[in-house]
Amino acid sequence: EAGVVQSPRYKIIEKKQPVAFWCNPISGHNTLYWYLQNLGQGPELLIRYENEEAVDDSQLPKDRFSAERLKGVDSTLKIQPAELGDSAVYLCASSLAGVGEQFFGPGTRLTVL
Amino acid sequence: AQSVTQLGSHVSVSEGALVLLRCNYSSSVPPYLFWYVQYPNQGLQLLLKYTTGATLVKGINGFEAEFKKSETSFHLTKPSAHMSDAAEYFCAVTLYGQNFVFGPGTRLSVLP
Repeated sequence: EAGVVQSPRYKIIEKKQPVAFWCNPISGHNTLYWYLQNLGQGPELLIRYENEEAVDDSQLPKDRFSAERLKGVDSTLKIQPAELGDSAVYLCASSLAGVGEQFFGPGTRLTVL
Repeated sequence: AQSVTQLGSHVSVSEGALVLLRCNYSSSVPPYLFWYVQYPNQGLQLLLKYTTGATLVKGINGFEAEFKKSETSFHLTKPSAHMSDAAEYFCAVTLYGQNFVFGPGTRLSVLP
């Protein structure tokens, strides 16, 4: 069974440019998470979806970040415009409902110049 | 709200020595607890979890952890370190239906 798929794996952009990350969760997992991981730190939740509904986006900087999960399957996270401080790894994870184990993708490493 | 502390951002052990990575949590009720491992340029992989039942849980790669409610701890141990154990380890806490809260991580180095 395929794991969580993320693309691209690496992205380098200049500040003020837009960028988008894509995530395809494990088949059948209705819960999807986007995390931000800064160097040497643990993942911090940006947004959690239950099917196509964003049930917790309280930590998502909505002035520049947006996310969608159309049809409740794959998801896209967008930053527009990117700032230098957005350089980090963006992780996607998925799980079954309840307190299921979260399965993580390999992440997208974003570098903003 | 839950929180997690991991004592020691970096731990070094010799190959074959005991591994002990510390995790303490703060929660108003007994939480669910997890240990994840992250190798360079990879996502997080579950090592083990405690939800209910036996407080000593065994995970993959010879790791185990014990939930101690009185000490609000969930320390990770392995009797004998292997070079392949070198990685970043994250403790996480959650309650049913709520978000995971991850600790800051402990980087484990294994010396030959």
